[in-house]
Amino acid sequence: DAGITQSPRHKVTETGTPVTLRCHQTENHRYMYWYRQDPGHGLRLIHYSYGVKDTDKGEVSDGYSVSRSKTEDFLLTLESATSSQTSVYFCAIRTGKTYEQYFGPGTRLTVT
Amino acid sequence: QKEVEQNSGPLSVPEGAIASLNCTYSDRGSQSFFWYRQYSGKSPELIMSIYSNGDKEDGRFTAQLNKASQYVSLLIRDSQPSDSATYLCAVKGEYGNKLVFGAGTILRVKS
Repeated sequence: DAGITQSPRHKVTETGTPVTLRCHQTENHRYMYWYRQDPGHGLRLIHYSYGVKDTDKGEVSDGYSVSRSKTEDFLLTLESATSSQTSVYFCAIRTGKTYEQYFGPGTRLTVT
Repeated sequence: QKEVEQNSGPLSVPEGAIASLNCTYSDRGSQSFFWYRQYSGKSPELIMSIYSNGDKEDGRFTAQLNKASQYVSLLIRDSQPSDSATYLCAVKGEYGNKLVFGAGTILRVKS
């Protein structure tokens, strides 16, 4: 258990509404990541953070924004949710000098 | 776009057999390689890391890396029904702080 929690764990929302997912860690790791997982695509990186207020885009960043105002929290926002953003979202942290990543429990998001 | 390829499976093996999972990658400068196990409805769990050519053993698991051929494999000895899961290969490229994941191989161990 890498001390990662995600909230909410499940959410159903309507097209066009804003949605914010939260990732919280308890161990002050510098790097945090947001992925989405869809059948046939595996895990795809949305955004990641390498420190407070320091973020960068991943391969599927369109339609998503992130913020990190505190070391322990990394927020993922869908400004105007679309059905194509229905997915399972995982947060991960990277520990120490290796590149190992550990995942949170995930958030299942359904956009109707 | 750096790619990581895995056979989607399912790979079916009888209980007690050796399961062999393979992964190829396109970035020749890749440095670090990881295997994750993911049970249905759960999050990925790191089971092996390998950084240099050769074999690395941990219990019933052996990771094998061949950088010249750009492949990494995972062997599971004495497979158990509890090993039934999707196995994800992840690779860190030569630059940056990101991992690229394969789409995963479904393993089914039949008792």
